[in-house]
Amino acid sequence: GEEVAQTPKHLVRGEGQKAKLYCAPIKGHSYVFWYQQVLKNEFKFLISFQNENVFDETGMPKERFSAKCLPNSPCSLEIQATKLEDSAVYFCASSQFQGGNYGYTFGSGTRLTVV
Amino acid sequence: GENVEQHPSTLSVQEGDSAVIKCTYSDSASNYFPWYKQELGKRPQLIIDIRSNVGEKKDQRIAVTLNKTAKHFSLHITETQPEDSAVYFCAANDGQNFVFGPGTRLSVLP
Repeated sequence: GEEVAQTPKHLVRGEGQKAKLYCAPIKGHSYVFWYQQVLKNEFKFLISFQNENVFDETGMPKERFSAKCLPNSPCSLEIQATKLEDSAVYFCASSQFQGGNYGYTFGSGTRLTVV
Repeated sequence: GENVEQHPSTLSVQEGDSAVIKCTYSDSASNYFPWYKQELGKRPQLIIDIRSNVGEKKDQRIAVTLNKTAKHFSLHITETQPEDSAVYFCAANDGQNFVFGPGTRLSVLP
């Protein structure tokens, strides 16, 4: 489709529970990016993919965060043992071209609330 | 790595007036600068961008200027309308990704 589809829109988890977020990039877009937007609006880069390969994971807190983009499946971002500070809106974006030279198309985001 | 600062953090203007948002970046290797508009509860949307080989770009009421020497770029919105109210983010490329500024909340007062 022509939209980056993110599910679910909202997710509430108790501290310590697992959270899994999904992102279907625009058809034909090879690059997928995950960003975390916390309450003060700031965007933090987490990870990017080129097709199913991790392109850059320098922003990922590796102890509890993991992500995948498998063929013929939505990409996913998983947080094991969520903490209160993981509460944020997680945006996925996709691009037809290698990142950094063209603007992304963002999905609508998943609002994760950890209670 | 790249660091992007953005000012002001909040901006209120009367409908019809102009609004200017300024950003600075630190890495002289950055060469692409998009601007995003995010309305409340919605996704960021690309509204305009500029590459380092040009100094200015305009699209109707929106324009962006870039000063490579000083490493700053600005968004200019003329004849503001209430629907321009949103949070605006500048960004600069940092290798394969973008570093975003902290955002400017623009309120256009009727």
